[in-house]
Amino acid sequence: GAGVSQSPRYKVAKRGQDVALRCDPISGHVSLFWYQQALGQGPEFLTYFQNEAQLDKSGLPSDRFFAERPEGSVSTLKIQRTQQEDSAVYLCASESQETQYFGPGTRLLVL
Amino acid sequence: QKEVEQNSGPLSVPEGAIASLNCTYSDRGSQSFFWYRQYSGKSPELIMSIYSNGDKEDGRFTAQLNKASQYVSLLIRDSQPSDSATYLCAVKGTGRRALTFGSGTRLQVQP
Repeated sequence: GAGVSQSPRYKVAKRGQDVALRCDPISGHVSLFWYQQALGQGPEFLTYFQNEAQLDKSGLPSDRFFAERPEGSVSTLKIQRTQQEDSAVYLCASESQETQYFGPGTRLLVL
Repeated sequence: QKEVEQNSGPLSVPEGAIASLNCTYSDRGSQSFFWYRQYSGKSPELIMSIYSNGDKEDGRFTAQLNKASQYVSLLIRDSQPSDSATYLCAVKGTGRRALTFGSGTRLQVQP
């Protein structure tokens, strides 16, 4: 079946622009996670949803980062007033039976 | 001290040899452990999960867990050039749903 999909795959933003990253989880997966991966590092947790409820947002680095999953399926990660340090790959994962399956990621470059 | 530690490598092994990848973690209450493979420019792909002390084998891969020593390892037998990738160790800490990743070990299998 279809895996986790993310769009856009690449995004170039000027510093100060707002961006929105989309994640389509595997159908039926209740749990959805967002991670940020800097070059040469492992993914770092940002936030977690169970259905539409955001149960953990402890990893969001600042109040410029906001995530939502209003209908318990598709999720959007929004970054306001992007900064150069926001440049990274943003990975979405959905979970079934303790296992997280990752999407292809969105590579964000802030100039 | 990082929560999940891995040697960054690169670990270089000849084709056909056994590659041994190691990971230590700090949260003694962790219960779930995962190895992901990540090719350059791609997203993490699950190889193995392990939850109990001892060994778990799947094809050419064996995961080993020692909770007393807070140590988890991945052995790859008959290494192939296609195994060349970064291997990420991930742990679910006490009471957490999110994964905490190490920074990954880069494996190079020489033909």
